[in-house]
Amino acid sequence: AQSVTQPDIHITVSEGASLELRCNYSYGATPYLFWYVQSPGQGLQLLLKYFSGDTLVQGIKGFEAEFKRSQSSFNLRKPSVHWSDAAEYFCAVPLMDSSYKLIFGSGTRLLVRP
Amino acid sequence: DAMVIQNPRYQVTQFGKPVTLSCSQTLNHNVMYWYQQKSSQAPKLLFHYYDKDFNNEADTPDNFQSRRPNTSFCFLDIRSPGLGDAAMYLCATGTGLAGEQYFGPGTRLTVT
Repeated sequence: AQSVTQPDIHITVSEGASLELRCNYSYGATPYLFWYVQSPGQGLQLLLKYFSGDTLVQGIKGFEAEFKRSQSSFNLRKPSVHWSDAAEYFCAVPLMDSSYKLIFGSGTRLLVRP
Repeated sequence: DAMVIQNPRYQVTQFGKPVTLSCSQTLNHNVMYWYQQKSSQAPKLLFHYYDKDFNNEADTPDNFQSRRPNTSFCFLDIRSPGLGDAAMYLCATGTGLAGEQYFGPGTRLTVT
């Protein structure tokens, strides 16, 4: 069955430190890939997306992600974390038999130490 | 700015008392989605509209209904809310291409 795995439930980093959030997917072909961020009590905001082409994609708020086909991964990175980045992060891919529906990972909660 | 708007942001209802949540969009997207999200979980798709075509997820309870009177508006009706229906309800829109979706700020539903 198709799946998206975010192996880290929680990650804590110090403000100013670098960040990497992991995402692995199972998919029959090269997928479209998304990262969303959700601040407490808010909806999901699209951070970035990969459709094709350059495997390193830039997003909003200084985030980037790299698609690695050989590892079936789409990890999210930020070189220097700000306190306002504390939130829940979801990786998502479209459902193979219904491309306008998304499968979400279980999410990673990011905590930022001052 | 083009956006997805949800009203109200917070809704309190009594056990068994029908409630309606609303969503509107200025993106002119073909697809509108309703998700339920409980604490520390990923959003769970309840149903979606592709234009006027309604698509219900197999495990969505009959207690949940939806209406889309036009492209811009979509409503979620909970006919008889139970305590287990307390959650964040998220509306999203999309073009139907590649799964890309844009979310509203959500409505937090409390059932007393």
